[in-house]
Amino acid sequence: GQNIDQPTEMTATEGAIVQINCTYQTSGFNGLFWYQQHAGEAPTFLSYNVLDGLEEKGRFSSFLSRSKGYSYLLLKELQMKDSASYLCAPHPGGSYIPTFGRGTSLIVHP
Amino acid sequence: DAGVIQSPRHEVTEMGQEVTLRCKPISGHNSLFWYRQTMMRGLELLIYFNNNVPIDDSGMPEDRFSAKMPNASFSTLKIQPSEPRDSAVYFCASRERGRSANYGYTFGSGTRLTVV
Repeated sequence: GQNIDQPTEMTATEGAIVQINCTYQTSGFNGLFWYQQHAGEAPTFLSYNVLDGLEEKGRFSSFLSRSKGYSYLLLKELQMKDSASYLCAPHPGGSYIPTFGRGTSLIVHP
Repeated sequence: DAGVIQSPRHEVTEMGQEVTLRCKPISGHNSLFWYRQTMMRGLELLIYFNNNVPIDDSGMPEDRFSAKMPNASFSTLKIQPSEPRDSAVYFCASRERGRSANYGYTFGSGTRLTVV
């Protein structure tokens, strides 16, 4: 089975940097997705990591350590519109089907 | 591209009634997924199809749930009879099988189901 652990909620200030951590245990491992979901909307794809290290994509970066079963999403220069839920989703070996955690609700305040 | 299209957006029904949710995947995407999202359990995979064939339905809660994909452009998720605990947001997602995972999965806007 899969175990995915993320903080339930985080708050941060506009313009700041926030790191959302995710630890996971899966039956084998192929890669890990991060999705963003605004309230009442569908999840949207942010990033995909398969190799160890940091992948940077504009203000968002995602890090993976396969040996530690650990990933984080780093958001820089926070904006109010970044207030959303962030879902960590590893997918196990032999499958490309992501298993989603319950997500971290990020609240950005002025 | 219109994206993944789901209907209806909202559904309110009485316990015991049959509910049918619909999904049209992105043209050219040959993998389709049905997810259910609740506050308690998060986003759970119910079933997925490759090339219209159901591959894994182990996430389907019980026999009251069934899903079909009669062709590449349409899928349904049916609940019969519905119960209050089925209340959730149901998402459909699709992807182009074989394409790099860097492209992710595209989700529809979801159907918010309320069973009273």
